[in-house]
Amino acid sequence: DTAVSQTPKYLVTQMGNDKSIKCEQNLGHDTMYWYKQDSKKFLKIMFSYNNKELIINETVPNRFSPKSPDKAHLNLHINSLELGDSAVYFCASSDRGVTDTQYFGPGTRLTVL
Amino acid sequence: KQEVTQIPAALSVPEGENLVLNCSFTDSAIYNLQWFRQDPGKGLTSLLLIQSSQREQTSGRLNASLDKSSGRSTLYIAASQPGDSATYLCAVSGNTDKLIFGTGTRLQVFP
Repeated sequence: DTAVSQTPKYLVTQMGNDKSIKCEQNLGHDTMYWYKQDSKKFLKIMFSYNNKELIINETVPNRFSPKSPDKAHLNLHINSLELGDSAVYFCASSDRGVTDTQYFGPGTRLTVL
Repeated sequence: KQEVTQIPAALSVPEGENLVLNCSFTDSAIYNLQWFRQDPGKGLTSLLLIQSSQREQTSGRLNASLDKSSGRSTLYIAASQPGDSATYLCAVSGNTDKLIFGTGTRLQVFP
């Protein structure tokens, strides 16, 4: 009965490819997020959506495009992958934004060769 | 710009010890502070959330305190167990509508 799920768990791909990561939450939350955790384990927000609307876009290259088809889903599409995109990407959700506890997915480890 | 620092970066203790993890932040205008646990290869699990108006929160063997004016929080773990081994992250939220994470403390509790 996973609260926040992501697929795939691992993604290995060549430079220049386009890939997508999917995220779903079954908590009924209004707000969803994408975070990037780099090789030094530092976690930084990329995007947040509230009820399908983009709230935060944290100066992420426009090769990254989030899409929220409904408030339970927030997918991340990445074009023209670069070596520096290699990281662990986490999806999270909360009931009403940053004033509430955030629940994280298991992460997607992206390796760009 | 909000910056969050955690000390120590790593900690190794024998089972049964009480321990304190520290978190400091530069801007005291926060909504709340959250402590998370991250196991290797896994996502983050929320441990405690302290609202800016609160001084502390407790859950089982964990107690987190918040001193907003001095920009500090501590996470106290009582009677540590090997199962507590993980990386502990603190994060603060403010008027930028996002969580700013610290650098983490990697804890190892050995039997």
